[in-house]
Amino acid sequence: AQSVTQPDIHITVSEGASLELRCNYSYGATPYLFWYVQSPGQGLQLLLKYFSGDTLVQGIKGFEAEFKRSQSSFNLRKPSVHWSDAAEYFCAVEPNRDDKIIFGKGTRLHILP
Amino acid sequence: SQTIHQWPATLVQPVGSPLSLECTVEGTSNPNLYWYRQAAGRGLQLLFYSVGIGQISSEVPQNLSASRPQDRQFILSSKKLLLSDSGFYLCAWRLVPNTEAFFGQGTRLTVV
Repeated sequence: AQSVTQPDIHITVSEGASLELRCNYSYGATPYLFWYVQSPGQGLQLLLKYFSGDTLVQGIKGFEAEFKRSQSSFNLRKPSVHWSDAAEYFCAVEPNRDDKIIFGKGTRLHILP
Repeated sequence: SQTIHQWPATLVQPVGSPLSLECTVEGTSNPNLYWYRQAAGRGLQLLFYSVGIGQISSEVPQNLSASRPQDRQFILSSKKLLLSDSGFYLCAWRLVPNTEAFFGQGTRLTVV
């Protein structure tokens, strides 16, 4: 079935450590790809997006993501996390470039002091 | 600049009661509009989206309906709420092509 998979429901890292959040999709064509962040009880804020071109995408708050076509992945990375990065992160896909944006189930990031 | 408004922020409704959640967008025209529901452990589930006035696409069979009576207004409704309708409802808009979606602050619905 077509889907967006975020395999890690929870991730805990120490402040200052590096971070990688995984995202895989199972759509045939190269979709549009997004990462959003959600603070508790709030809406979603876009971190970065990929439509075409350079497969390494820079976003806000020091985040980046790399699109790997061969692995159908779009993993989110940050070299050094801050306590304020604790939130839930959602990978999203527009599979057929047909206006529907499909979200993964999210990864909740916890930061240890 | 564009803004999106959702209300109410919080709602507690009894089972069997009707529902109307409203979402409006300002500062743009002819946006695509979306309703998502977020339940614990299930991520964001796309419920409805609209590419124009009166045009509604339903993604999941359910107890809910959506309408778009005006270009920048999107309404989520139910005639009789179920317990399973509880969740966090998010409205979003975007201008296509090649753009991201912008989200409202959400409505927390608790059906009791």
